[in-house]
Amino acid sequence: EAGVTQFPSHSVIEKGQTVTLRCDPISGHDNLYWYRRVMGKEIKFLLHFVKESKQDESGMPNNRFLAERTGGTYSTLKVQPAELEDSGVYFCASSLSVGVLNTEAFFGQGTRLTVV
Amino acid sequence: KNEVEQSPQNLTAQEGEFITINCSYSVGISALHWLQQHPGGGIVSLFMLSSGKKKHGRLIATINIQEKHSSLHITASHPRDSAVYICAVLSGSARQLTFGSGTQLTVLP
Repeated sequence: EAGVTQFPSHSVIEKGQTVTLRCDPISGHDNLYWYRRVMGKEIKFLLHFVKESKQDESGMPNNRFLAERTGGTYSTLKVQPAELEDSGVYFCASSLSVGVLNTEAFFGQGTRLTVV
Repeated sequence: KNEVEQSPQNLTAQEGEFITINCSYSVGISALHWLQQHPGGGIVSLFMLSSGKKKHGRLIATINIQEKHSSLHITASHPRDSAVYICAVLSGSARQLTFGSGTQLTVLP
C-alpha cells in the first residue's frame, strides 16, 4: 500500500513567484494535515482537512497561503507570492476517519521549499 | 495550548549505549507520538501511545499520564539510529499535533 506521497521533494523559487505543493494521502484517510518546519524551529500545524472540508485552518500564516482538497482526495498548498520567510519543509500527514480520535498519523517525505 | 518540551536537544552516544530521550507536556493529552526524521528524509511514526509502554525491536516508549511525561529508549544503539527524534501530542478535542523541537541523536561507531 502506498504511503503519503508529496510532490515535489524540493523546490527552489524566487521571491514573488508562486509554488504549489501536492500531497496524496493514504487511500481512505479522511483526515489530511499540512505542517511546516522552518529553520531551527519546531514543526507547526498549518491546517486540517476532513475529506474536502477545511476543519481547522488556524495555523495558516497569512492569505498568501491557499490550501485545497478537491473531491476529498489529494491536497494542494499554494504559496503566492512566496516570501523568503516561507522557506522550510512542508509536511503532509493523513489519518483515518474523524470519529476515532486516537488514530495514528502517517507522514509524507516532505517538500523542502527554498525561496531566494 | 499545549507546551511540549524535549530533552536533550542534542545527544551524542557511542555505539551500543542505552539512550533515553524525554518529552514533557503541559496539558492532558489523548495520545502521544514519537517520530523519527533522518537527514533529508521524511517523518516516520515510531509509536503512538496513550498509556503504559510499547516496544518495537530495540525501541521502547513509555508514558506517565499523571506526570505528563514520556520517554523513548533505544537499547544497543547503532549509527543508523542517528536521526532527529520528535515528540508530538494530541490534546483533548484538538485534531492536530503539537510538536516538540526534536532531539538530534548522533551515534558514533
